[in-house]
Amino acid sequence: DVKVTQSSRYLVKRTGEKVFLECVQDMDHENMFWYRQDPGLGLRLIYFSYDVKMKEKGDIPEGYSVSREKKERFSLILESASTNQTSMYLCASGQGGTGNTIYFGEGSWLTVV
Amino acid sequence: GESVGLHLPTLSVQEGDNSIINCAYSNSASDYFIWYKQESGKGPQFIIDIRSNMDKRQGQRVTVLLNKTVKHLSLQIAATQPGDSAVYFCAEKTPLRQGAQKLVFGQGTRLTINP
Repeated sequence: DVKVTQSSRYLVKRTGEKVFLECVQDMDHENMFWYRQDPGLGLRLIYFSYDVKMKEKGDIPEGYSVSREKKERFSLILESASTNQTSMYLCASGQGGTGNTIYFGEGSWLTVV
Repeated sequence: GESVGLHLPTLSVQEGDNSIINCAYSNSASDYFIWYKQESGKGPQFIIDIRSNMDKRQGQRVTVLLNKTVKHLSLQIAATQPGDSAVYFCAEKTPLRQGAQKLVFGQGTRLTINP
């Protein structure tokens, strides 16, 4: 079975803190994604990566950065957390090419106070 | 622009009945579609997928239909069970460059199974 593991399920951080959300996949997938999910807004793409050290902005990249130093690991970084970044963050991974499913982790609930 | 929308935000069905969840998409370049199920507090779970060169695909109790003419996707769940209660998302996969794709989600439909 494909496994996408998000290191933290629940975090509470203070405004202005630097936050790291880690994601690891065990299927040698080329593509990895970070989404945030908010009520009424669905899943929105923050950043994605199609190869090691490669990254692309998604629909809402402002306030976030990412790092992909190894193929299996994709990190989401909040340089200075703000209250409007309180959300559920979902990591996903998938093989490149048509017809390959994208799999999700269990999510990380971040509260910024 | 890219958008994937759902016709109904909520759907209630009786246990044992069949349910149909609909989805509209707008990007004709999308070549792959996925249905996900999301239970409360969990990440989206893959249910079934379909490529754009197909119009129907069946799984265990689930069927996905794709109508490219009207850019419409549906998920049919047969003989619904209480465990089917969840939010269902359709997603379209759009190729960006060789090997890279973008997955765009609809807003989701909450399916409730009544006993």
